[in-house]
Amino acid sequence: DVQMTQSLSYLAASPGESVSISCKASKSISNYLAWYQQKPGEAYKFLIYSGSTLQSGTPSRFSGSGSGTDFTLTIRSLEPEDCGLYYCQQYYEKPFTFGSGTKLEIK
Amino acid sequence: EVQLQQSGAELVKPGASVKLSCKTSGYTFSNYYMSWLKQMPGQNIEWIGNIFGGNGGTGYNQKFKGKATLTVDKSSSTAYMDLSSLTSEDSAVYFCARQGRSSYPFAYWGQGTLVTVSS
Repeated sequence: DVQMTQSLSYLAASPGESVSISCKASKSISNYLAWYQQKPGEAYKFLIYSGSTLQSGTPSRFSGSGSGTDFTLTIRSLEPEDCGLYYCQQYYEKPFTFGSGTKLEIK
Repeated sequence: EVQLQQSGAELVKPGASVKLSCKTSGYTFSNYYMSWLKQMPGQNIEWIGNIFGGNGGTGYNQKFKGKATLTVDKSSSTAYMDLSSLTSEDSAVYFCARQGRSSYPFAYWGQGTLVTVSS
């Protein structure tokens, strides 16, 4: 199975700042990489696919980059509602696998 | 609006089975795949398998073969997952999530169902 590693489990930043969340695959997955946001009491929200394409409804302050094994989710001009857990997921091959998540706190 | 409404929390005894449901609305059920995923407290999300709403064709993560059985009822636009021979390792939150195709990302998620296995 493809292992997805999010090395940072926790991140804190202030409103207006920018943050980057990294995700590394154990083998090349081309750009078959998605990002999700989870907030307590809410359903998972699908943010980005193909490594860098914003899903409809995802604010433009979110961006994704990378291909192969290394990927990054960047959030610019942080807003309070951006707090939550962020997960990467590969859909290059089955079984689909997820990173362990990065918790973003807005100070 | 696409909605996936999952059934309520379950408390089940070891060795028993449980059937979870995921009732959908807002789209043509038979045109999409539905995946099921497992998340134990503090653990990674695991993909269990998926099923095509049109013909019930399934694909499973090898790890969950024999544990999970996926079915659909097109008449009610509902997906189901049976979990058998439950142990404490099956205690988790289970999610359904819609996919456009079998190997697409999970565009819409249910709210999750907590399954607790305890005597």
